[in-house]
Amino acid sequence: SQTIHQWPATLVQPVGSPLSLECTVEGTSNPNLYWYRQAAGRGLQLLFYSVGIGQISSEVPQNLSASRPQDRQFILSSKKLLLSDSGFYLCAWGPGTKYEQYFGPGTRLTVT
Amino acid sequence: AQSVTQLDSQVPVFEEAPVELRCNYSSSVSVYLFWYVQYPNQGLQLLLKYLSGSTLVKGINGFEAEFNKSQTSFHLRKPSVHISDTAEYFCASQTQGGSEKLVFGKGTKLTVNP
Repeated sequence: SQTIHQWPATLVQPVGSPLSLECTVEGTSNPNLYWYRQAAGRGLQLLFYSVGIGQISSEVPQNLSASRPQDRQFILSSKKLLLSDSGFYLCAWGPGTKYEQYFGPGTRLTVT
Repeated sequence: AQSVTQLDSQVPVFEEAPVELRCNYSSSVSVYLFWYVQYPNQGLQLLLKYLSGSTLVKGINGFEAEFNKSQTSFHLRKPSVHISDTAEYFCASQTQGGSEKLVFGKGTKLTVNP
């Protein structure tokens, strides 16, 4: 069966510090991968998605970036965090057949 | 453009009462439809999905949803809720044969009171 991991689970970072969140998927190959952000009391905002290694599509202009160095690894990064980057970050994977997505447990990021 | 509207941001109900969470979608082409549940500080879990075929879809935890093409709706129902159903519920759609992306509604917070 497929499993998706995210780490860390929680993170408190000062404004201006760098960020690296990691997501890995097990039990499948060539998945579509997604990064979402969920701000307090709000819905899900798609940040990036990837249909293959090195292929990244950005949905929202911001100071975040994403990379996919391996087939089942998706990384969300920032060089300098802003207060507005605080939120709950969710990684998801989907089969290449374009159906449902499966979500990881999330990372709670607080920028102070 | 595709969009999903969840008509109620909060729904309070008493335990063992029935509940309906409403979802309407807008798309110029056929769509796949999904309901997800999110418990506090957790990721989203797929409850059920409509891809094709029977318009009544049954999911996990006793939930079901009905696809209504003429009303462009996909409402989620449960005949008798439990305290443990307290969570946020998200409706989502995906264009058939189109983008790999899901379009989510803003969510409905279901609170089940004793």
